[in-house]
Amino acid sequence: DIQMTQSPSTLSASVGDRVTITCRASRSISSWLAWYQQKPGKAPKLLIYKVSSLDDGVPSRFSGSGSGTEFTLTVSSLQPDDFATYYCQQYSSYPRTFGQGTKVEIK
Amino acid sequence: EVQLVESGGGLVKPGGSLRLSCAASGFTFSTSSMVWVRQTPGRGLEWVSSIGGSTNYEYYADSVDGRFTISRDNAKNSLYLQMNSLRVEDTAVYYCGKRDGNIDNWGQGTLVTVSS
Repeated sequence: DIQMTQSPSTLSASVGDRVTITCRASRSISSWLAWYQQKPGKAPKLLIYKVSSLDDGVPSRFSGSGSGTEFTLTVSSLQPDDFATYYCQQYSSYPRTFGQGTKVEIK
Repeated sequence: EVQLVESGGGLVKPGGSLRLSCAASGFTFSTSSMVWVRQTPGRGLEWVSSIGGSTNYEYYADSVDGRFTISRDNAKNSLYLQMNSLRVEDTAVYYCGKRDGNIDNWGQGTLVTVSS
C-alpha cells in the first residue's frame, strides 16, 4: 500500500498568511494526487485534483504542486473560511489512501 | 446540482449486518464510478470500496474484503454497501462519493456504530 504522510499535523496561522502543507507518498504516484478540505461535521470537499487542477468554484488562492512523491498545497492569503482540516489522497493505485490530515487553526 | 444522500446507518451488534444505500441525482449515474469512504476520529479517512460505472470492476480495502460488497442499481440511481460480519472497528461515518479517484462529490455521511 502507498502511505501518504502529511506535515505538519497542525498549523496555526492568521488571516492573510501564506500557508503551505506538504504531502509525501511512500512511492511515486506520478500526478495522481488530490487535496480535500473538511470542516467539522461536514463531508470533505474536493479542492484540487491531478496535483494542481482546481475543482470548479475553488478560489484561486489555493494552488497545488509537486510530482512523484512530494506534493504541496499552498493557500496564498488565508481567509476566515479556510480554517479547516486538509487531506491529501493518492489515486495512483488501490487501495486509495489518504494522508492523516492537517488542521489549520487560527493563531 | 449533484446530490448524494446516504441512508441505512445505525447501531448493530458485532457479527451483525447492515446495508447502506446512497441515492444519487444531478448527474449521469450509470456512467460514473462510485466509492465508499469511511471516517473515524482515530483512523481519519479510509477508502473502503470502489465500483465502476458499468460494474466492470470492484475493489475493496483489505480490512473489509470478504465481508463487504459494493453494488449499484443504475435504473434506480443508487449505490449500496452490504456490510456483513461487522466488527467494532467498522464503527465510522460512511460516505458515498462520486468518481473513483479524485472524489468530486460526497454525501453527508451515515453513522454506523458496531457495539454490543
